[in-house]
Amino acid sequence: AQSVTQLDSHVSVSEGTPVLLRCNYSSSYSPSLFWYVQHPNKGLQLLLKYTSAATLVKGINGFEAEFKKSETSFHLTKPSAHMSDAAEYFCVVSYISGSARQLTFGSGTQLTVLP
Amino acid sequence: GAGVSQSPSNKVTEKGKDVELRCDPISGHTALYWYRQSLGQGLEFLIYFQGNSAPDKSGLPSDRFSAERTGGSVSTLTIQRTQQEDSAVYLCASSWGGPGGSSGEQFFGPGTRLTVL
Repeated sequence: AQSVTQLDSHVSVSEGTPVLLRCNYSSSYSPSLFWYVQHPNKGLQLLLKYTSAATLVKGINGFEAEFKKSETSFHLTKPSAHMSDAAEYFCVVSYISGSARQLTFGSGTQLTVLP
Repeated sequence: GAGVSQSPSNKVTEKGKDVELRCDPISGHTALYWYRQSLGQGLEFLIYFQGNSAPDKSGLPSDRFSAERTGGSVSTLTIQRTQQEDSAVYLCASSWGGPGGSSGEQFFGPGTRLTVL
């Protein structure tokens, strides 16, 4: 079975400080992993994806994530938070179910950026 | 390069009424998904269409929910006899196809916010 656990439901950082959003996954085989961001009243936007190539994945808006198989983790980081980063972030695992590629979403982490 | 579009963006209805939600996927995408996002919750998978294959309905919460996809493109999600617990944001996503040729990335629409009074 595939699952993701986002360890923090809320994270609050000051503008200009680093961001760390934690995600652990469970998968019976080598997974594809994603981070999506959802701004208020907006659709989900893909930040980055891991598909068994480089373990350090760079995404949009300065975000990156590192796939660590030994720790079954895929934490999202950014060196310096910007006010526009305030949003909800979802860690997602992709798996095959029958003929479909299915996604399992984590419960989300709400990021607040303080001025 | 149009993305996934959904209509209406907001829908308010009375308990017991039927509603239809529409999704226009990205042109060329053969896979289409419906999800439900309730307040403070993650995304709940509802139904999946892939080309002309029979849809995967395993996520539909009750027989009041149904969906169809005409001509392999536009999809309509129908909720009959709506209940207050149906209130949520309904998201549609599309992707390039089945497991063979895709990493699984899905492209999401802006959603339809359904409120059942």
